[in-house]
Amino acid sequence: SQTIHQWPATLVQPVGSPLSLECTVEGTSNPNLYWYRQAAGRGLQLLFYSVGIGQISSEVPQNLSASRPQDRQFILSSKKLLLSDSGFYLCAWSVDSNNEQFFGPGTRLTVL
Amino acid sequence: AQSVTQPDIHITVSEGASLELRCNYSYGATPYLFWYVQSPGQGLQLLLKYFSGDTLVQGIKGFEAEFKRSQSSFNLRKPSVHWSDAAEYFCAVGAKDSSYKLIFGSGTRLLVRP
Repeated sequence: SQTIHQWPATLVQPVGSPLSLECTVEGTSNPNLYWYRQAAGRGLQLLFYSVGIGQISSEVPQNLSASRPQDRQFILSSKKLLLSDSGFYLCAWSVDSNNEQFFGPGTRLTVL
Repeated sequence: AQSVTQPDIHITVSEGASLELRCNYSYGATPYLFWYVQSPGQGLQLLLKYFSGDTLVQGIKGFEAEFKRSQSSFNLRKPSVHWSDAAEYFCAVGAKDSSYKLIFGSGTRLLVRP
């Protein structure tokens, strides 16, 4: 069966520090991968998606970036965190053209 | 452009009472529609989905939803709410392009009174 992992589960970082969040999927090949952010009390904001290795599409201009170095690995990064980057980051995958997505457990990021 | 509206930010129901969460979408063709649930600090779990066929869709945990094309709605229902149903509920529509994105509503937080 397919599983999706995210780490770390929680992270507290100072403003201006770098960020690297990792998402990996097991049990499937060539998934579509997605990064979302939830600010406190807000809905889901799609940040990036990828339909293949090295293919990244950005939905919202910001100081975050994403990379997909391997088929089932999706990384969210920042060179310098802002206070507004705090939130709950969710990774998701899908393989079918019917858009059904499966979500990871999330990473809680607090920027101080 | 596609969009999803969940008009209720919060809903409070008593345990054992029935529940209906509203969802309206904007889409030019027959949409793929989803309901997800999120408990605090957790990821999203798929409750049910509609692709085609029977407009009344059964999901997990006793939930169902009905697709009404004439009203552009996909409301979520449960006949008897349990305290464990307290969570945030998201409606979503699938983008039918090469991104296979989901367009989410802003969510409805369900509170259950004992």
